[in-house]
Amino acid sequence: GENVEQHPSTLSVQEGDSAVIKCTYSDSASNYFPWYKQELGKRPQLIIDIRSNVGEKKDQRIAVTLNKTAKHFSLHITETQPEDSAVYFCAASKSPQGGSEKLVFGKGTKLTVNP
Amino acid sequence: SQTIHQWPATLVQPVGSPLSLECTVEGTSNPNLYWYRQAAGRGLQLLFYSVGIGQISSEVPQNLSASRPQDRQFILSSKKLLLSDSGFYLCAWSGGTGFINEQFFGPGTRLTVL
Repeated sequence: GENVEQHPSTLSVQEGDSAVIKCTYSDSASNYFPWYKQELGKRPQLIIDIRSNVGEKKDQRIAVTLNKTAKHFSLHITETQPEDSAVYFCAASKSPQGGSEKLVFGKGTKLTVNP
Repeated sequence: SQTIHQWPATLVQPVGSPLSLECTVEGTSNPNLYWYRQAAGRGLQLLFYSVGIGQISSEVPQNLSASRPQDRQFILSSKKLLLSDSGFYLCAWSGGTGFINEQFFGPGTRLTVL
């Protein structure tokens, strides 16, 4: 089955700096890669996702890149702000088989943005 | 728009007691539904998923069970709770009238087993 590795497990940056979180996946059939942000005690929130037909996607200060050949994808946050502090999870899944599209999650990265 | 509800929000139960957590989705039809557990400071573990009424797939062996009695209702149960069942239980949905793959989480139930 699919296996998703996420690095680093913790990341501390100064406000205004950029943050990069990387994930690798094992199943070459995976074609959907979302990123979730989870604030303390809250539910994970989908912040950006990318499908395998594109290599990069941006949404304001957040971008995701995908390298299908190397089977890795990354989250880039520019001009970080204290409110970006949270745990970020990457995930991978493939087109529904039998009706279900199960996400396989990485173990998370705790990002701390220091004012 | 779609909304997902979970209750209760928090629960404290003694070891050996039964459990019933409920999840309902509004604003979509025939969603795929999921139960995840998140231990303190840990990642998301998929417990069950369902692609339709009465259709349940289990991801990990455990003393928990799930049921889907209605299209937009998903229930997580246990006959006898263990200490290791403590955690943050999250229900999620995908599909329905939206894009496939995208999963959206409910607010969660924080369960403490004493």
